[in-house]
Amino acid sequence: DAGVIQSPRHEVTEMGQEVTLRCKPISGHNSLFWYRQTMMRGLELLIYFNNNVPIDDSGMPEDRFSAKMPNASFSTLKIQPSEPRDSAVYFCASRPDSSYNSPLHFGNGTRLTVT
Amino acid sequence: GQQLNQSPQSMFIQEGEDVSMNCTSSSIFNTWLWYKQDPGEGPVLLIALYKAGELTSNGRLTAQFGITRKDSFLNISASIPSDVGIYFCAGLNYGQNFVFGPGTRLSVLP
Repeated sequence: DAGVIQSPRHEVTEMGQEVTLRCKPISGHNSLFWYRQTMMRGLELLIYFNNNVPIDDSGMPEDRFSAKMPNASFSTLKIQPSEPRDSAVYFCASRPDSSYNSPLHFGNGTRLTVT
Repeated sequence: GQQLNQSPQSMFIQEGEDVSMNCTSSSIFNTWLWYKQDPGEGPVLLIALYKAGELTSNGRLTAQFGITRKDSFLNISASIPSDVGIYFCAGLNYGQNFVFGPGTRLSVLP
């Protein structure tokens, strides 16, 4: 049973470059979430999708961040241009819609370092 | 907005000791979840609680949904080295997103 799959696991890039993070949710899960984790702020919700439609993007820091979900099995989070303060671990999580309180299942994250 | 507090922030214990940690909120929640995050990995669900007063076990782990619905507790009995990690609580209400606590960092000394 494959869990949530994220790629790459690590990304090191220079300030100003475009970064694309990828996520494959668990098959059959209708909702997909992008979180950012830092020591200072903990886990922050950036955006979530339900049935491939963005529902709440109020957590996206600024216009440099964008997310897409072109189909039920794939989502991307893009940062353009990247800045050093974007350095963090980015997690994708999914959950089924069978119940409003179905738990989140997390991927192993992408550790982003922007120099 | 809703916030969760976790106590303690960090703890160092000897292998074999029991561990207790808690999660509190000024708001009530209908669901409480406990996750564990190993270094370099994503959070993994340990226990889910759906009813006030509920007490649920998962091996050496036991969690309780507080009667007031504003808190939850996690206990680990007879700790072992692989219990090391960060433990997160999360609260959820209908129509809202999960709210995560800042975590309790557990270190187990051999």
